[in-house]
Amino acid sequence: KNQVEQSPQSLIILEGKNCTLQCNYTVSPFSNLRWYKQDTGRGPVSLTIMTFSENTKSNGRYTATLDADTKQSSLHITASQLSDSASYICVVPYNNNDMRFGAGTRLTVKP
Amino acid sequence: NAGVTQTPKFRVLKTGQSMTLLCAQDMNHEYMYWYRQDPGMGLRLIHYSVGEGTTAKGEVPDGYNVSRLKKQNFLLGLESAAPSQTSVYFCASSFGTASSYEQYFGPGTRLTVT
Repeated sequence: KNQVEQSPQSLIILEGKNCTLQCNYTVSPFSNLRWYKQDTGRGPVSLTIMTFSENTKSNGRYTATLDADTKQSSLHITASQLSDSASYICVVPYNNNDMRFGAGTRLTVKP
Repeated sequence: NAGVTQTPKFRVLKTGQSMTLLCAQDMNHEYMYWYRQDPGMGLRLIHYSVGEGTTAKGEVPDGYNVSRLKKQNFLLGLESAAPSQTSVYFCASSFGTASSYEQYFGPGTRLTVT
């Protein structure tokens, strides 16, 4: 039904720990998948864009993986910092100008 | 270079009132979008524009109108606000089609309709 589902809905971790966020999508045909970070009260900011042929892509302490066969992606955050507290949103294009956004995972990093 | 800006940041309306949200971008982008974000849901596309003078409907266009008189500006209008339009509204822009180019988002407008 051309949807994007994310899990967990929320996550609390201690500073310095790692975490992994999940994204499952049913959007077809597939062209690319994006991960955005949205700080409270701000607009989403792009972290990474993955195409069909990319399995892994890193952006600093953020590493995204993509399995186009199972239609799953994950975002791994290494050595979390307080500034990582935000919502992380998975997005897949539905057509040229319509994107399907997941509801996001709200991450809280505690000292 | 301010990127994408939105005016106002917050607004409270009474049912039936009208208002216009302004989005401006200084990146010379052709494509501009209006989304709404509701609790527990992903952003949903209201209307978009592929260039000056053009607009098109998105997933949830009812109750909204838009205009793109200048390339850098994209206006979202609510003619008769309803409580169901209480939401956070985000504007975005991109150099080309959203599916192929990165979208840049504004800071959002929080609208409450009582």
